[in-house]
Amino acid sequence: SAVISQKPSRDICQRGTSLTIQCQVDSQVTMMFWYRQQPGQSLTLIATANQGSEATYESGFVIDKFPISRPNLTFSTLTVSNMSPEDSSIYLCSVEAGGAKDTQYFGPGTRLTVL
Amino acid sequence: AQSVSQHNHHVILSEAASLELGCNYSYGGTVNLFWYVQYPGQHLQLLLKYFSGDPLVKGIKGFEAEFIKSKFSFNLRKPSVQWSDTAEYFCAVNYKGRDDKIIFGKGTRLHILP
Repeated sequence: SAVISQKPSRDICQRGTSLTIQCQVDSQVTMMFWYRQQPGQSLTLIATANQGSEATYESGFVIDKFPISRPNLTFSTLTVSNMSPEDSSIYLCSVEAGGAKDTQYFGPGTRLTVL
Repeated sequence: AQSVSQHNHHVILSEAASLELGCNYSYGGTVNLFWYVQYPGQHLQLLLKYFSGDPLVKGIKGFEAEFIKSKFSFNLRKPSVQWSDTAEYFCAVNYKGRDDKIIFGKGTRLHILP
């Protein structure tokens, strides 16, 4: 298994500002994932972050809005840029770990409220 | 498009009742199937998974799920629930060979009455 921490755990932000969410894993992992969980909705994959290459974004998500960094095998950041109230959501980081392909371990999430 | 449907958004049961949460997926090819659980105030965590082999899989805390390929279903069951099973349950499907990504259902919020 993997232990994942996220910072901040929650934040309230003003429209038009940006927030960077950090994800730290206690072991080296190849693939890290960023999800969004809007109120009453399922988890939606935003992008896959691989170390040493650009993130791969899912349909409907773009790098300008959600830039991602992956400087090493234990850390990643997701920035929510130029926020609007529609970005209010829980943002989750997850990893595949322990050789168990397709099995993901999730962080505690970051609850973002945009006013 | 690939999708995952969870039939019940909110379920309320009394302790010792039997539980079955429905999950259906839309694709007829090879899939890996998961149930995740999120207890109040805790991380999302894996409850059980099916990749191949015996279609009846056992998970933690007495949960099991049965993969029925002909029905595109992977329902979660527990014969006797406890108050501590109060949580949100998510079904997830990895559509192998088609983008190879995991799609989550909307979740079922389960309340167990003591």
